[in-house]
Amino acid sequence: DGGITQSPKYLFRKEGQNVTLSCEQNLNHDAMYWYRQDPGQGLRLIYYSQIVNDFQKGDIAEGYSVSREKKESFPLTVTSAQKNPTAFYLCASSIAGGVYYGYTFGSGTRLTVV
Amino acid sequence: DQQVKQNSPSLSVQEGRISILNCDYTNSMFDYFLWYKKYPAEGPTFLISISSIKDKNEDGRFTVFLNKSAKHLSLHIVPSQPGDSAVYFCAVTLGSQGNLIFGKGTKLSVKP
Repeated sequence: DGGITQSPKYLFRKEGQNVTLSCEQNLNHDAMYWYRQDPGQGLRLIYYSQIVNDFQKGDIAEGYSVSREKKESFPLTVTSAQKNPTAFYLCASSIAGGVYYGYTFGSGTRLTVV
Repeated sequence: DQQVKQNSPSLSVQEGRISILNCDYTNSMFDYFLWYKKYPAEGPTFLISISSIKDKNEDGRFTVFLNKSAKHLSLHIVPSQPGDSAVYFCAVTLGSQGNLIFGKGTKLSVKP
C-alpha cells in the first residue's frame, strides 16, 4: 500500500542537540511538506519542496533545515537554534500542483526536549 | 495575522444530532477549501473539499457550505456518531501551486 512513513514516532532530544526526523513516501508525489502542530495552534508550515533538490521556507523555518536529495525522502533536522522544539511534527505529500486534491499526511513524530 | 479562523476550539454534540463546524477566512482570493479530520497522535486525513465556484458539496453524512460574500465555510455532519469525535481543521489555498493554510482546529465530541 502507498503512503507516508514518519519515523520515529517518539523522539527525545537533549538541549543543544540536533535531531533528524525521517519522512519517506512511496506515492510518487513530487511535493512534500513539513508542518508543526502545537496545542491550540493548528498546523504551521515549516518547509516545503515541490521538486527534488529544491525547497522553500514556510512560515516558521527558523531553527530547522531540510534536504530533498531523493523524490521519496524529505528529512527534517531540528537544530539547536530552534528554541522551542517540543511539538508534534507532521510530514505530508501531494502531486505537483495538486493542492486541490489535498495532502496525504504521515502519522507524525512527537519530539520532546528533555 | 490569522488568515483562517476557527473560532470555536471545541464543540459537544449528542449522537444522532447535527454537528456544525465553522471556519472564516480573510482573503477573498482563496479558491479552494478543504476539511481535515485528525485523531490524537495521528496525521490528519482528508474529509471533503469545495471549490470557490460552488456553494455546497455533499459526501454521505458530510456537507460543506461556502458563503463567499461572508468569507465563511461550514461543515455539517448529519447524523453525528461517536466515531466522529476528533479535531477538525479547515484549510484554504490560493491557486493550484499554493500551499494549504490551516485553521487552529475545532475539537468535536459526540456523546452517546
